[in-house]
Amino acid sequence: AQTVTQSQPEMSVQEAETVTLSCTYDTSESDYYLFWYKQPPSRQMILVIRQEAYKQQNATENRFSVNFQKAAKSFSLKISDSQLGDAAMYFCAYRVTDSNYQLIWGAGTKLIIKP
Amino acid sequence: DTEVTQTPKHLVMGMTNKKSLKCEQHMGHRAMYWYKQKAKKPPELMFVYSYEKLSINESVPSRFSPECPNSSLLNLHLHALQPEDSALYLCASSQGGTSGVSGDTQYFGPGTRLTVL
Repeated sequence: AQTVTQSQPEMSVQEAETVTLSCTYDTSESDYYLFWYKQPPSRQMILVIRQEAYKQQNATENRFSVNFQKAAKSFSLKISDSQLGDAAMYFCAYRVTDSNYQLIWGAGTKLIIKP
Repeated sequence: DTEVTQTPKHLVMGMTNKKSLKCEQHMGHRAMYWYKQKAKKPPELMFVYSYEKLSINESVPSRFSPECPNSSLLNLHLHALQPEDSALYLCASSQGGTSGVSGDTQYFGPGTRLTVL
């Protein structure tokens, strides 16, 4: 069965610094998608970044980038120049291509930004 | 535009009440989802509608009744709920069908905070 593990329940970072959130997953599939979602205290689940497993190039979105290591089944999220608005729960999620729409979620990492 | 709207934002109901949650999207998505989320936990999938047909029901109690009147709307009818049903209820939508280049990315609404007394 596919699983997603986020080993850091909570992380803190100084404003303007860089932080990396870890995510590992277990699967026997070769074709899948990985996602990072952010959920601030306002509750809305917001897509941060998406990575296709068949792409070797790491996805980036402005200050957010991933380090995708397919062989190691690792998918970490790097946030550069951290801002107060980045404070949130971050969830890593996995989806098999052409599956029945289901996402497999990690437990989440709470990110605290220190001013 | 990747907007999914949900109403109401907050709902307090007694165990004998009947209420409904509403979700709407105008992105042309053909898959819509209901999730239940407890505090500091990831969302738990409840139902999936694909092309307006119920395709997944994750063994949800019958006191929760989903409805998809058309491709843009998704309702969740609530009846005789229990206090343990208090949670954040999230709606999401995605393109549906084959994954395509987007990975069938799910876009979420802001949620309805439900309290059952």
